[in-house]
Amino acid sequence: KQEVTQIPAALSVPEGENLVLNCSFTDSAIYNLQWFRQDPGKGLTSLLLIQSSQREQTSGRLNASLDKSSGRSTLYIAASQPGDSATYLCAVYKYSGGGADGLTFGKGTHLIIQP
Amino acid sequence: DAGVTQSPTHLIKTRGQHVTLRCSPISGHKSVSWYQQVLGQGPQFIFQYYEKEERGRGNFPDRFSARQFPNYSSELNVNALLLGDSALYLCASSSLSNQPQHFGDGTRLSIL
Repeated sequence: KQEVTQIPAALSVPEGENLVLNCSFTDSAIYNLQWFRQDPGKGLTSLLLIQSSQREQTSGRLNASLDKSSGRSTLYIAASQPGDSATYLCAVYKYSGGGADGLTFGKGTHLIIQP
Repeated sequence: DAGVTQSPTHLIKTRGQHVTLRCSPISGHKSVSWYQQVLGQGPQFIFQYYEKEERGRGNFPDRFSARQFPNYSSELNVNALLLGDSALYLCASSSLSNQPQHFGDGTRLSIL
């Protein structure tokens, strides 16, 4: 059974700092990995998707890397801003012979950027 | 373009009742998935539908069922509601399984 772990569970840093969020997964036979942000009481906003054949993806101040063999991904946020405060979720997608397994999520990292 | 839309936004039910939640995917997306998110946890996979057929099912009891319509919208039905069914129910759509999944804002279901 796929398990996804995110470290740290919570993080509070001053504005302007660069930071790294970590995600690990137990089954490396994944299709892709996706990072999301979730604001309180809201749905999920897709940030980056990395296919299993890729090593990293970048969007603006965000960079996500994937090391499938070791079961790890990191999300790097450069020059953090108060608007980046949210819960960040990592999810892996696997399609087995019996059908789609859907996304398996970690519990998230609750990020607070202090002005 | 409109994103994934879900209705209703909030719902209050009592134990034993049933509920129907609705989802409209992004235009052109043929895959719809449903997730349950309880407070403090990541979403848990319930169902995936593609081209109106069930393509995957998570570890949920038979009280949970879903369907997808010809216009690719979807319904999630939950029978015999339990207190533990209180959660945020999220719908996601994508064009293909290996493409990004886009989520709606969810339906907040409270069971009294």
